Amino acid sequence: DAKTTQPPSMDCAEGRAANLPCNHSTISGNEYVYWYRQIHSQGPQYIIHGLKNNETNEMASLIITEDRKSSTLILPHATLRDTAVYYCTLAMDSNYQLIWGAGTKLIIKP
Amino acid sequence: NAGVTQTPKFRILKIGQSMTLQCTQDMNHNYMYWYRQDPGMGLKLIYYSVGAGITDKGEVPNGYNVSRSTTEDFPLRLELAAPSQTSVYFCASSYAASGRQFFGPGTRLTVL
Repeated sequence: DAKTTQPPSMDCAEGRAANLPCNHSTISGNEYVYWYRQIHSQGPQYIIHGLKNNETNEMASLIITEDRKSSTLILPHATLRDTAVYYCTLAMDSNYQLIWGAGTKLIIKP
Repeated sequence: NAGVTQTPKFRILKIGQSMTLQCTQDMNHNYMYWYRQDPGMGLKLIYYSVGAGITDKGEVPNGYNVSRSTTEDFPLRLELAAPSQTSVYFCASSYAASGRQFFGPGTRLTVL
């Protein structure tokens, strides 16, 4: 069973911030949260990851709650090209195995 | 860099046929992985390799075999194709044992 839970779909208006939630209530202390996205059934693309602190890069921000049981991926100014399935996964940094759930289908509307 | 490349892009097999899915990466990554993705689902790990000559099973290895003779190549072999192996197959690589993986474009396989 997947260790993460995400809503199956979400909409967001173009130009607005897209906030994608993920629950991972059974996360262990040395597991990182990774986010990927998959556009049109292409290969998944890495977005961002974090352990306990909030992280930001050129693509997105990752907010992890203090108890680490949930996180939110933020796309600050969504564009139509951000329409994709977004996956929240967990992995220990010494362990290659990503456990994938079904993801959230994000649709950006003009 | 081409990154991770996979061939073929599409393939239709008859039940019982065999084939090899090719995967090559030019990033000098030690770790390589094979996943399958069924419609509407997340990815499942089939096999992985931590370096040339070293491979191990993932979550769903039955019906598949792999080899890793070079750092660059990690082919996936289907010996006796079954309809349950109809799926999209993704190869990935990473520099170290890490969740940050680089994926190829995938091979869409149909077994009839």
